[in-house]
Amino acid sequence: SQKIEQNSEALNIQEGKTATLTCNYTNYSPAYLQWYRQDPGRGPVFLLLIRENEKEKRKERLKVTFDTTLKQSLFHITASQPADSATYLCALGGGYQKVTFGTGTKLQVIP
Amino acid sequence: KAGVTQTPRYLIKTRGQQVTLSCSPISGHRSVSWYQQTPGQGLQFLFEYFSETQRNKGNFPGRFSGRQFSNSRSEMNVSTLELGDSALYLCASSSPTALAYEQYFGPGTRLTVT
Repeated sequence: SQKIEQNSEALNIQEGKTATLTCNYTNYSPAYLQWYRQDPGRGPVFLLLIRENEKEKRKERLKVTFDTTLKQSLFHITASQPADSATYLCALGGGYQKVTFGTGTKLQVIP
Repeated sequence: KAGVTQTPRYLIKTRGQQVTLSCSPISGHRSVSWYQQTPGQGLQFLFEYFSETQRNKGNFPGRFSGRQFSNSRSEMNVSTLELGDSALYLCASSSPTALAYEQYFGPGTRLTVT
């Protein structure tokens, strides 16, 4: 069955640095890959979607890459701020495919 | 546009009881998905409804069921509650078309089974 792994449960970085989060998957060929942010006690919030035929997508300080050969996506937050502290979830699927989420990486940006 | 709403926000039930949770999607959205979130398992997909039909289903026992109404509002039902059903249940709506992409989540219903 499909499996999604996010590189670590927690990641601490210094304010101003670039945070890089990893999402690896197996036994699946998703047409879409999505990233969400979740704050404690709240539902996830959509950030970016990238299609299988796209290598990279950007939105303000966010950048996502999608390598279907490596079965991996990287999610970058440049010039990180304490307000970026949250749990970030990778999700596979969309379109007609069901959406399956990873367990998330908790990012802490230290001032 | 109003966001996704879920009712109730909090619920306490005892083992063996059943529960019904409600979700109102964003106006115009026709796809509604349900997820269970627990600290140990993360977000687990329950099912997705589109135009009153179940389009996708996760790996949950038959005690978990759902339905969608003609106005796209959705309900999920859990019968014969078990302690392990304690979780945050999230509903998400997506897209006015058949192709569902980004999902918009509600605040969730926190279910506690005692």
